[in-house]
Amino acid sequence: RKEVEQDPGPFNVPEGATVAFNCTYSNSASQSFFWYRQDCRKEPKLLMSVYSSGNEDGRFTAQLNRASQYISLLIRDSKLSDSATYLCVVRTNAGNMLTFGGGTRLMVKP
Amino acid sequence: NAGVTQTPKFQVLKTGQSMTLQCAQDMNHNSMYWYRQDPGMGLRLIYYSASEGTTDKGEVPNGYNVSRLNKREFSLRLESAAPSQTSVYFCASIWTSGGDDEQYFGPGTRLTVT
Repeated sequence: RKEVEQDPGPFNVPEGATVAFNCTYSNSASQSFFWYRQDCRKEPKLLMSVYSSGNEDGRFTAQLNRASQYISLLIRDSKLSDSATYLCVVRTNAGNMLTFGGGTRLMVKP
Repeated sequence: NAGVTQTPKFQVLKTGQSMTLQCAQDMNHNSMYWYRQDPGMGLRLIYYSASEGTTDKGEVPNGYNVSRLNKREFSLRLESAAPSQTSVYFCASIWTSGGDDEQYFGPGTRLTVT
């Protein structure tokens, strides 16, 4: 079983739609959680951290459920420019290592 | 502020050749990492350096060596390249303090081993 699992998609949604991605992690010692965005043939870029209380950044909302060991990302009012692969990332304090999920591909259509 | 730089951007090697991938960051981060990304496999950690002078193995270290030359630079060496090492290699640099994070990846090196 992978340490961080995501539905690979693709999620095909129309502009303006709301879309949600989930991610599960297996290591209960995981301390910090993140969502990254990766465009085709580019490097991953940190989108947002995920806090226990949940957090929002504009159209993006991230939630963490430690008891069930899953993380979610909600994108409201999708834009064409949101088309990308979204990577779920967890970190354990040991060595400050980041472990990546396989990514979920989002395609926003006009 | 260049962030994280990697050289070269592209490389083609023959089986058995060696090469060193270079990575540098100008953000004074302590921690640096080497990942490889393959289709369907996501990013996998090869080696990391939590601080200057230390290096540790990640998930897939076989066939690689690293050197943390100083705080800025972290290189990855392939001593005898194999076709299985065909991949995109990313270097990352991270700073963490009290819940605040700076995490940056370099643009990647696309390596093909024939």
